[in-house]
Amino acid sequence: NAGVMQNPRHLVRRRGQEARLRCSPMKGHSHVYWYRQLPEEGLKFMVYLQKENIIDESGMPKERFSAEFPKEGPSILRIQQVVRGDSAAYFCATTGMIGYEQYFGPGTRLTVT
Amino acid sequence: AQSVTQLDSHVSVSEGTPVLLRCNYSSSYSPSLFWYVQHPNKGLQLLLKYTSAATLVKGINGFEAEFKKSETSFHLTKPSAHMSDAAEYFCVVSTGGGGADGLTFGKGTHLIIQP
Repeated sequence: NAGVMQNPRHLVRRRGQEARLRCSPMKGHSHVYWYRQLPEEGLKFMVYLQKENIIDESGMPKERFSAEFPKEGPSILRIQQVVRGDSAAYFCATTGMIGYEQYFGPGTRLTVT
Repeated sequence: AQSVTQLDSHVSVSEGTPVLLRCNYSSSYSPSLFWYVQHPNKGLQLLLKYTSAATLVKGINGFEAEFKKSETSFHLTKPSAHMSDAAEYFCVVSTGGGGADGLTFGKGTHLIIQP
């Protein structure tokens, strides 16, 4: 999995709270993709970032969701004022060195109560 | 634009029998194609990939897939199923762009292995 780390692995939030999900690709990998997986469905693209830049956020909901990948530290997916519909597994991925495959982290499973 | 259709949401086979998971794709450009496997509550693992080299691609754990351009298909097969193969399998297409055009996932096929 190219050493892609995500934390926390499980996150429980009450409605209205903020959720922060972290993704650390292996050193030297500067591209991060975030995906959301709803139950019984495939992954849906949310946002693509390179260090300090958002390249494509066409899959992000217009409100409450934001993402960043600072020069130092992990990429952060932030969900403000969570609602029950935000409950899902969130995966981040980085690109392989050859071809267009992506390597995924273990995911963060967000539960909103 | 690109899309992926996994023709079966669930496939059930007996241990030791062949596995066939079907996938059709649509792409405006020459695609790269992938199969990923996801075990319960785990991340996604790359099984194999096709990137315009040999049309028959061998992956890990005895899986292979054949790219058939005329049929726009990329079906996943394994000669003999093992209990540990029980998982969710995703067919994925890419035309190499970043972002939303990067990877497009099928809805997944849940593979059940009967003892």
